[in-house]
Amino acid sequence: DIVLTQSPGILSLSPGEKATLSCRASQTVRDGSLAWYQQKPAQAPRLLIFGASNRATGIPDRFSGSGSGTDFTLTLSRVEPEDFAVYYCQQYAASPYTFGQGTKLEIK
Amino acid sequence: QVHLVESGGGVVQPGRSLRLSCAASGFSFTIYALHWVRQAPGKGLEWVAVISHDGTITDYADSVKGRFTISRDNSKNTVFLQMNSLKNEDTAVYFCATDGWSFRQTFPEYWGQGTLVTVSS
Repeated sequence: DIVLTQSPGILSLSPGEKATLSCRASQTVRDGSLAWYQQKPAQAPRLLIFGASNRATGIPDRFSGSGSGTDFTLTLSRVEPEDFAVYYCQQYAASPYTFGQGTKLEIK
Repeated sequence: QVHLVESGGGVVQPGRSLRLSCAASGFSFTIYALHWVRQAPGKGLEWVAVISHDGTITDYADSVKGRFTISRDNSKNTVFLQMNSLKNEDTAVYFCATDGWSFRQTFPEYWGQGTLVTVSS
């Protein structure tokens, strides 16, 4: 199975700052088959990025994804108050389609 | 507008069975794969299963393989998760989700609000 390790576990920032979230895979994620999700308390996850760098429908351009192989990054250019949440990466290159353990973005 | 509504959750004893349903609307159900993903209380997301658009391909997480069965009824725009031999560690909110690409099994895109399954004696 492909294990995804996200870092940091918790990221404390103030609104307006830049956020950089990392997702590292235990083996190559072929074809950039990696997605990012945002989840707020008591809500379903929301797709942000697919194919490592493609924004999903309706996602603001302050969210961007990059990376390939085993190292992927989700960047928020300027954190807005509504962005404080937990973020998960997921690989869909090979079954089982594993998720990372999540990064909590909290208000500093 | 894509709409997914899960149902069938509840409290069940270890070793018993439960069947979850997910009713879909607002999109072309018959051309998209469907996923089940779960989340134990206070924990992260765990992918559970996927079924292809026509039901001919299914795949499961190792933790549920041989106990859970995913199926779909394209005439009723509904996907199911039959859960047998339930364990305490199956306690979670179960989400269904559409796939992001037609005719393929890739990433979950649109999600329902989930249904809670509690396995406890």
